[in-house]
Amino acid sequence: LAKTTQPISMDSYEGQEVNITCSHNNIATNDYITWYQQFPSQGPRFIIQGYKTKVTNEVASLFIPADRKSSTLSLPRVSLSDTAVYYCLVGTPSYNTDKLIFGTGTRLQVFP
Amino acid sequence: KAGVTQTPRYLIKTRGQQVTLSCSPISGHRSVSWYQQTPGQGLQFLFEYFSETQRNKGNFPGRFSGRQFSNSRSEMNVSTLELGDSALYLCASSLVGQETDTQYFGPGTRLTVL
Repeated sequence: LAKTTQPISMDSYEGQEVNITCSHNNIATNDYITWYQQFPSQGPRFIIQGYKTKVTNEVASLFIPADRKSSTLSLPRVSLSDTAVYYCLVGTPSYNTDKLIFGTGTRLQVFP
Repeated sequence: KAGVTQTPRYLIKTRGQQVTLSCSPISGHRSVSWYQQTPGQGLQFLFEYFSETQRNKGNFPGRFSGRQFSNSRSEMNVSTLELGDSALYLCASSLVGQETDTQYFGPGTRLTVL
């Protein structure tokens, strides 16, 4: 079971790039890394998923080093609306969803 | 395509009562998972249903139960409510329920137990 470790909180200012790192030392060969974003009183929302190297979509980039023991979610030019909790998960293409653990997440606060 | 819907959005109950929460997944999604979120414990997995069968189950007492209908809609029931059951209950749907499937979450039902 691959557990994840993230910083509890981070602060940033509008317009800056924010990098949130997640450690997953026990990641398995078949594990993928997925990030979710959650606003207060709402359900988490999918941001990005990757297996290795770099993945980019319209909202974020995900950097995964060769050993895959960590990953970094990069949010370019954050705005106040990016203030939320960000969760890193690892999971395999299996059906054992009871093994998915959201953890405590990283609370990002963006200041004007 | 409509998102995941949950009803009701807010609920107030007293200890000892029971409650039923409803979740309608995204059209075409066959897997529905339920989570409990509290400030102290974070987001915890309750159970997952696929094709009307409970396929995965988290570490919650038997007071928490659920079911899924043939149209993939799901309900969860909590009997003999306790104060500690106060939480945001989230439903998520995905295509087939693999760990790597994107889960689409509903807005949640905020349950308060007095």
